[in-house]
Amino acid sequence: NAGVTQTPKFRVLKTGQSMTLLCAQDMNHEYMYWYRQDPGMGLRLIHYSVGEGTTAKGEVPDGYNVSRLKKQNFLLGLESAAPSQTSVYFCASTTTGGGYTFGSGTRLTVV
Amino acid sequence: GQNIDQPTEMTATEGAIVQINCTYQTSGFNGLFWYQQHAGEAPTFLSYNVLDGLEEKGRFSSFLSRSKGYSYLLLKELQMKDSASYLCAVSNSGGYQKVTFGTGTKLQVIP
Repeated sequence: NAGVTQTPKFRVLKTGQSMTLLCAQDMNHEYMYWYRQDPGMGLRLIHYSVGEGTTAKGEVPDGYNVSRLKKQNFLLGLESAAPSQTSVYFCASTTTGGGYTFGSGTRLTVV
Repeated sequence: GQNIDQPTEMTATEGAIVQINCTYQTSGFNGLFWYQQHAGEAPTFLSYNVLDGLEEKGRFSSFLSRSKGYSYLLLKELQMKDSASYLCAVSNSGGYQKVTFGTGTKLQVIP
């Protein structure tokens, strides 16, 4: 049972490049989330999804897009990367009344 | 909105007991989570309090007072491996299991 799998684990982008982060969960969870974690600021919610085909904005959605075409997958896209998007990105999933299960994280550097 | 406060850093001695406090202000409250995060790793779920009182789980206990907007995580018989950040997180009554995280308390356990 893999839980939540994130790919890639590390990435360096140049300013203006685009990329997609993939999150996959095998626990049949309804809810999925993308957070970013920066020193001194804690985890901040970017986008979330309450079910297949639905997405919603979180606290810091600008510059990001998401899609949930299948229940088990939640994709995070950066359309035109900026240095301010240098961060550690975590995907998480859960079901009603449960705690989050996090993926191992993606360390992204934008130069 | 939500505001979550917890100490930035704490130091405690191996074998001792440490209490990590968390205060919160929220427009709606569904429950309070505690997560453990070792450096360079993903957060892992420790506890979830919905009702007032103390919940014990092995060496870890978590307390909640909804009327005071206050929680604490109690760690007993501290071990070196307990050195980590401890994240307090509040789920609001808006549903969808959306959670707002505090910035975390970095605990250092010393011999």
